This record gives sequence, C-alpha cells and structure tokens, in this order.
Amino acid sequence: GENVEQHPSTLSVQEGDSAVIKCTYSDSASNYFPWYKQELGKRPQLIIDIRSNVGEKKDQRIAVTLNKTAKHFSLHITETQPEDSAVYFCAASNNNDMRFGAGTRLTVKP
Amino acid sequence: KAGVTQTPRYLIKTRGQQVTLSCSPISGHRSVSWYQQTPGQGLQFLFEYFSETQRNKGNFPGRFSGRQFSNSRSEMNVSTLELGDSALYLCASSAAGDEQFFGPGTRLTVL
Repeated sequence: GENVEQHPSTLSVQEGDSAVIKCTYSDSASNYFPWYKQELGKRPQLIIDIRSNVGEKKDQRIAVTLNKTAKHFSLHITETQPEDSAVYFCAASNNNDMRFGAGTRLTVKP
Repeated sequence: KAGVTQTPRYLIKTRGQQVTLSCSPISGHRSVSWYQQTPGQGLQFLFEYFSETQRNKGNFPGRFSGRQFSNSRSEMNVSTLELGDSALYLCASSAAGDEQFFGPGTRLTVL
C-alpha cells in the first residue's frame, strides 16, 4: 500500500515568514494529494489539494507543488500569521486508498 | 448539507471490553474511512468502506473490524480492548475518492 512520509514533524517560524512542509509518497498510482489543517481540538479540514496532472496550485497565501517523477509534494505558506498555527497533514490517494503523513506541528510566533 | 456525524463523542471502557463506534456520512457519500489518531502518531488508516464492501484495510489487528450499511452509515468495532487503544477515532466520508470530510471524532479512553 501507499506510504507517505512528512517532514519536518515540528516547525516554528516568526510571523510574516514563510513555512514549507514536504512529503514523499511511494505509490506511483497516487493521483490526488490533499493537505489538511487540524487546529487544536478540531477535526482535520482540507485547505488545498492538487491532482497529478498539475505541477503547482496556489490559493492566496498557500501553494502546493508536485513532482511526480521524484514522488514528492510540498506545502508553502507565505506571510504566516498566528492563526496558521496548527498541525498540517499531507496525504496521497489513488482514488480509493488515501494515506496520511504523520503531520507537522506549525507554530507561528507573533 | 449536514456534515459527518459520529456517536458517541466520548467513551470510557475498561480493558477486555468491546466497543462499537458509529459514523454517519454526508448524504450522497458512499465512501467511509476510519482513522485512529494518537498524539504524535498522526492519522493511522484503519479501513475504508464503499457500498457496503471493505475496499482497503490498514495494519491493525483483527480486533478492529467494521461494516457499512446500505444507507452508507458505518460502524467500527474494537474487541478485547487494550490500554493502547485509547485514541481519537475519526471517520471521514467522500463522494468519489477525492476530498474527505471528517467527523468530530470519538474519543475512546481505555482504563
């Protein structure tokens, strides 16, 4: 089955700086790569996703890049704000089997 | 549309007991996945059901089982509970293998 590795496990940045979280996957059949944000005590919620036919996608301060050849994808958050503090999970799916990374705890210091 | 719901929200059991958790997906969603979340362990995949059939299974012992009903509601069962089973159990539903919508979770404590 799919195996997703996520780095770093913790990340601390100053407000206004950028944050980058990286993930690798093993199954070349994976074609959907979502990112979820989980705030303390809440359920994970989708913040952005990318499909295998696209190399990059941006939504305001958030962007994802995908390198299918290398089997890795990244989340980029620019101009970080304290409310970006949360645990972020990447995932990879081949339509009926979605596996998650171990998560990155992002702390944005004001 | 109503979101994914899970019952109960909290549960306290003792070792050796069994437990059944319930998940009602978003209307129209036929896929339901279950995850175990423990501090520092992320989201561990348990299993996924689609149209009453288990399509995928994670690396959990046979004490963990599930099923899905014709209305797409799903249950998971854990038998012979162990202390290490204490966790937040999340279910998620999706329409077609894309975005998963998570429920609020059931927090299970095994004493």
